[in-house]
Amino acid sequence: DAGVTQSPTHLIKTRGQHVTLRCSPISGHKSVSWYQQVLGQGPQFIFQYYEKEERGRGNFPDRFSARQFPNYSSELNVNALLLGDSALYLCASSMAVVDTQYFGPGTRLTVL
Amino acid sequence: AQSVTQPDIHITVSEGASLELRCNYSYGATPYLFWYVQSPGQGLQLLLKYFSGDTLVQGIKGFEAEFKRSQSSFNLRKPSVHWSDAAEYFCAVAPNRDDKIIFGKGTRLHILP
Repeated sequence: DAGVTQSPTHLIKTRGQHVTLRCSPISGHKSVSWYQQVLGQGPQFIFQYYEKEERGRGNFPDRFSARQFPNYSSELNVNALLLGDSALYLCASSMAVVDTQYFGPGTRLTVL
Repeated sequence: AQSVTQPDIHITVSEGASLELRCNYSYGATPYLFWYVQSPGQGLQLLLKYFSGDTLVQGIKGFEAEFKRSQSSFNLRKPSVHWSDAAEYFCAVAPNRDDKIIFGKGTRLHILP
């Protein structure tokens, strides 16, 4: 079975631009969570979606938004990029809201 | 405020030696507890989890962890480390079943030959 997949693998943007990151969960998983991992830190929770509804939101500005599609895949959007948005963005899927989370390899975003 | 603390940023042990990585949390009730490992260039992999029941939890790769309510701790142990265990280890906590998972800042494990 395929694991959690994320695209793209790497991305370079400039300040002020917009970015869309994509995630496909493990088949049968209905919950997708997004995390930001800055170098040298643990993952920080951004969003969780379950059955296409937002179930949780971390302490991130409104520039960050997400959605989940009928096939349970998800997009994370970040507007007006700042240098501080440079990080590894991780997607995780799980069967339930709090359950074993399976992580994808991440998208490395660099903002110049 | 709710928090997860991994007090050791770096730990170095010799191959074959025993290992204990510390994790403390600051929640009142019994939370859901996890340990994840992240190798360079790879995603996070779940080592083990504790939801309820026996407080000594066995995981993959020979790891185990013990939940101690009185100490608000969930320390990760391995009796004999291998060079392939060199990685970053994250403790994670969810205060209750409907809450988000919060990660600690991680402990980087170095293995001496």
